Amino acid sequence: EVQLVESGGGLVQPGGSLRLSCAASGFTFSNYWMTWVRQAPGEGLEWVANIKEDGNEKYYLDSVKGRFTISRDNAKNSLYLQMNSLRAEDTAVYYCARGEGGNAYWGQGALVTVSS
Amino acid sequence: EIVLTQSPGTLSLSPGERATLSCRASQSVRNNYLAWYQQNPGQAPRLLIYGASSRPTGIPDRFSGSGSGTDFTLTISRLEPEDFAVYYCQQYGSSPRTFGQGTKVEI
Repeated sequence: EVQLVESGGGLVQPGGSLRLSCAASGFTFSNYWMTWVRQAPGEGLEWVANIKEDGNEKYYLDSVKGRFTISRDNAKNSLYLQMNSLRAEDTAVYYCARGEGGNAYWGQGALVTVSS
Repeated sequence: EIVLTQSPGTLSLSPGERATLSCRASQSVRNNYLAWYQQNPGQAPRLLIYGASSRPTGIPDRFSGSGSGTDFTLTISRLEPEDFAVYYCQQYGSSPRTFGQGTKVEI
């Protein structure tokens, strides 16, 4: 059974940093692009970043470029999102998802709250 | 960036009725890489359609997708009580991947 489990969310002050992790199981992690998608409270879905199977291609939403870094460790079946210089508008539930689009598998989400 | 515009914003229907949701792209979606998702409150999105018209295993056949280029449609042939939710389209033919703003299907 495919499982994606996010961790690392929490409350952080504006300008602070947080690192999200996504533990994958039930499939060959190194064979798939992986994606982060977020959803602000009461709002719609927003694609954040994705990363190729080998980690050599990465793409970002313009508003997070230079602040967020997506990475993966195929040996540990894990996906990461390092978030720096956080802003109030980054407050959201962050989901990891398998694939680069048409994502059939999603985690349960991790809540990130940026507030003083 | 491809902007996806979904209409209507809210669709008020009854169980058993047909629902037609629209997703229009600001430019052509490469290879018709267009997906539809269903989301219920507090839950992760559920993939309904990929490649504009393909259904993943386990998705009921009352859900169907059509369209190409810039105009896409999700049709729910007969609404079941569990279908009242928010629906999003997403294009994954170019970066950044983008979502529509959503259509809420309510009773």
